Amino acid sequence: AQSVTQPDIHITVSEGASLELRCNYSYGATPYLFWYVQSPGQGLQLLLKYFSGDTLVQGIKGFEAEFKRSQSSFNLRKPSVHWSDAAEYFCAVGTMEYGNKLVFGAGTILRVKS
Amino acid sequence: DTAVSQTPKYLVTQMGNDKSIKCEQNLGHDTMYWYKQDSKKFLKIMFSYNNKELIINETVPNRFSPKSPDKAHLNLHINSLELGDSAVYFCASSPRERAKNIQYFGAGTRLSVL
Repeated sequence: AQSVTQPDIHITVSEGASLELRCNYSYGATPYLFWYVQSPGQGLQLLLKYFSGDTLVQGIKGFEAEFKRSQSSFNLRKPSVHWSDAAEYFCAVGTMEYGNKLVFGAGTILRVKS
Repeated sequence: DTAVSQTPKYLVTQMGNDKSIKCEQNLGHDTMYWYKQDSKKFLKIMFSYNNKELIINETVPNRFSPKSPDKAHLNLHINSLELGDSAVYFCASSPRERAKNIQYFGAGTRLSVL
């Protein structure tokens, strides 16, 4: 069965520092991968997605992610974090099963200190 | 205009009651979903509907009954509420039921069962 692991429950970075959030997936077929962000009391907003092609994908708000098939990873990065990036980040894999369900990781809470 | 809207945003009720959560999307999408986010922030799919037809039912207790009067609406009715039903419920929609489709999420309904 497909699964997504986000090893870090919490991460704290200083404003202006770089960020990397880890995501590993387990899925037998070609994965479709997503990163969503959830601000407190808000819904989930799509940051970026990977379907095929270039393994480095760019998203909104200056985020990027790199798909590494050999490591079954899809890590999210940002070169310089802003205080407004504090939120919870979810990695997800979209399955090919009829119905298009997303399987989510447990999330990583990002705290930004000034 | 909100793309995926859920009502109510907050719902506080007693054990044993019956309640409904409504979801509407104005994106013209064919597929709609319900996800449950538990107290540990873990997101899991419950149901998906494509053009009013149920296509995913993830072993959810039959106290939960989704209803799709048309493809723009997917409501969730919960009978005999239990303490364990307390969670945030997210509605989402996507253009079609294929894995490459991006899912757009509502802001969530926080259900508290006392």
